[in-house]
Amino acid sequence: GAGVSQTPSNKVTEKGKYVELRCDPISGHTALYWYRQSLGQGPEFLIYFQGTGAADDSGLPNDRFFAVRPEGSVSTLKIQRTERGDSAVYLCASRISGGPNTGELFFGEGSRLTVL
Amino acid sequence: ELKVEQNPLFLSMQEGKNYTIYCNYSTTSDRLYWYRQDPGKSLESLFVLLSNGAVKQEGRLMASLDTKARLSTLHITAAVHDLSATYFCAVDATSGSRLTFGEGTQLTVNP
Repeated sequence: GAGVSQTPSNKVTEKGKYVELRCDPISGHTALYWYRQSLGQGPEFLIYFQGTGAADDSGLPNDRFFAVRPEGSVSTLKIQRTERGDSAVYLCASRISGGPNTGELFFGEGSRLTVL
Repeated sequence: ELKVEQNPLFLSMQEGKNYTIYCNYSTTSDRLYWYRQDPGKSLESLFVLLSNGAVKQEGRLMASLDTKARLSTLHITAAVHDLSATYFCAVDATSGSRLTFGEGTQLTVNP
C-alpha cells in the first residue's frame, strides 16, 4: 500500500483480556518498528524488526508483550493479560532498512488501545 | 542510554512572531529528524538532518543540526495558526537501529 496501515484503529478491551494489533508496512520496507505513545508524551520504542527477526526488543515492558513478523512484511503486536496501564496509542512505523543513513520512519495512524 | 530533551515543552505565540524550539541529545549521533503531530493524528516527517551543519527549510520552518554541540533547532518564522501542532525531534543512535524521541513541544499560534 501507499502508507503504513494499522488495524484496528480503536480497541476497547477489559482488563485481563488478550489483544492483537496489526501493522502492514510500506511495500519494500524491511525495517518495522513498534512504538507506544501515552497522552502528552513522545513515542516510546518497543521493538524493531529487520526482516523477519526482532533485531531489538529491549523496549518491550514485560513478557506480556510479544510481536511477530513471520514473513517479513505484516507484523502483529500481541498483549496478554492486558492491564489498565497498557492503555495508549500503539504506533507502527517502517523504513527502507535498519542500517545507517536509511532515512526517516514513516508512521501509521496508530491503534488506540483502551483497557477498562 | 540516549536521552533527547526538547524545550520548551509548551509554546504559545502570536501570529507573525518568530521563535525557536531546541532539541538536545546525550550521545553521539549525526542523524536527527523532526516530526509534526496534530491532535489525534500520527506523526508526519518534516526534516531529515544527516550531517553536522545540515540546514533544511520548508515554508516557515527551518531546522539545523550541530552534532558537536548535540543540538538541533527548529526555527519558526512569522508563525501562522496552521503551524499549531506538537513537534518532536528524534535521534538515531550511531548504530542506526531505532529512533529515540523527545517529549515534544506543543505549539499554539494565536491570531
